[in-house]
Amino acid sequence: QVQLVESGGGVVQPGGSLRLSCSASGFTFSSYGMHWVRQAPGKGLEWVAFLRSDGSNKNYADSVRGRFTISRDNSKNTLYLQMNSLRAEDTAIYYCTKENSGWYYFDSWGQGALVTVSS
Amino acid sequence: EIVLTQSPATLSLSPGERATLSCRASQSVDGYLGWYQQKPGQTPRLLIYETSNRATGIPARISGSGSGTDYTLTINSLEPDDFAVYYCQHRRNWPITFGQGTRVEIK
Repeated sequence: QVQLVESGGGVVQPGGSLRLSCSASGFTFSSYGMHWVRQAPGKGLEWVAFLRSDGSNKNYADSVRGRFTISRDNSKNTLYLQMNSLRAEDTAIYYCTKENSGWYYFDSWGQGALVTVSS
Repeated sequence: EIVLTQSPATLSLSPGERATLSCRASQSVDGYLGWYQQKPGQTPRLLIYETSNRATGIPARISGSGSGTDYTLTINSLEPDDFAVYYCQHRRNWPITFGQGTRVEIK
């Protein structure tokens, strides 16, 4: 079955950086677009970034564009999110998600990585 | 950016009743709308995509409908497992956005 396992979360000071990883298994990783979705504590869902299956197309939420970079290594079945210039409002659980066959809905979710931005 | 507004914020119902959840978009999403369920402490689960298509393993008592700017998630004969928060999400254009959620609670 599909498994998505995030790692790399933690506590970071404002202005700092963090890189999240998402290890994927149970499906052909290189055939699917992948997304990051976040959820601030007690709040709703916010889409963060998208990367096409072959890495040729990506998109970002305005709130993170220019600060976050999504990437992938299909040889390692791994998705990444490099987060720079972190702000308090970036504090959230970050979910790695798999889309359902190119339709930009999220049919599989990792358990999430908690990122806390605080001094 | 397309804004999705869900109503009501909270729905108080008893097991066995029908839940009707609304999602209104600030502009047409042309049917490119999905629904998710999230229970406390759990990750979201895809229920419906493209307005009315059930995701894998979703029972027929859960259905979606709508067009243009107005969409509805209907859950017939509520079971204890259905009490959760529900989110709508569009894929009409970038950025993808979610509604703020509707909580379905036990009355």
